[in-house]
Amino acid sequence: EPEVTQTPSHQVTQMGQEVILRCVPISNHLYFYWYRQILGQKVEFLVSFYNNEISEKSEIFDDQFSVERPDGSNFTLKIRSTKLEDSAMYFCASSEASADISKSEAFFGQGTRLTVV
Amino acid sequence: QKEVEQNSGPLSVPEGAIASLNCTYSDRGSQSFFWYRQYSGKSPELIMSIYSNGDKEDGRFTAQLNKASQYVSLLIRDSQPSDSATYLCAVMDSNYQLIWGAGTKLIIKP
Repeated sequence: EPEVTQTPSHQVTQMGQEVILRCVPISNHLYFYWYRQILGQKVEFLVSFYNNEISEKSEIFDDQFSVERPDGSNFTLKIRSTKLEDSAMYFCASSEASADISKSEAFFGQGTRLTVV
Repeated sequence: QKEVEQNSGPLSVPEGAIASLNCTYSDRGSQSFFWYRQYSGKSPELIMSIYSNGDKEDGRFTAQLNKASQYVSLLIRDSQPSDSATYLCAVMDSNYQLIWGAGTKLIIKP
């Protein structure tokens, strides 16, 4: 069964360093997303990406964050100058292209646990 | 501020009984509603989606939507211990962003 894969599963970084989280969406999906979940808290939307550009982003997704699709399969989230409060699980998700985007069902990868020390 | 509210639980249900999970949302323009299951330390797993008023059944799961009351629920029939997890309600708002509830922790007691 096709799945979204994320690497690494766990990343520890020092405060102020840059991290890149990697995702391989399901191959025939065209919408890509990043979410985060701070331990014990709600899942939070960060950004959606379609047709090689950001389609929506939340208030959380400020200049510290960027996304890229460097090739035909990978989708990355870069966090510059990490802060302690960036520690969270980061989930990548993807969904099929649909005539009605509101009916796009998102499938999640297993997540990257980012720990900033 | 768009909100999705769920009772955090835990909701304890005997094995074999029906578990009923509820969710309310604030954005009246929301069109799409999703239930995800999340085991501790794992990623959300899509269980059901529902887009129109009424019931939608898939195996042991039934999703119910009432847009007038801004209410969506999930029923799990013949509950199994493996159903023990946190159930997340997610609502797609008018900007096509998924807004998530905090989840209801469900415990199925053997």
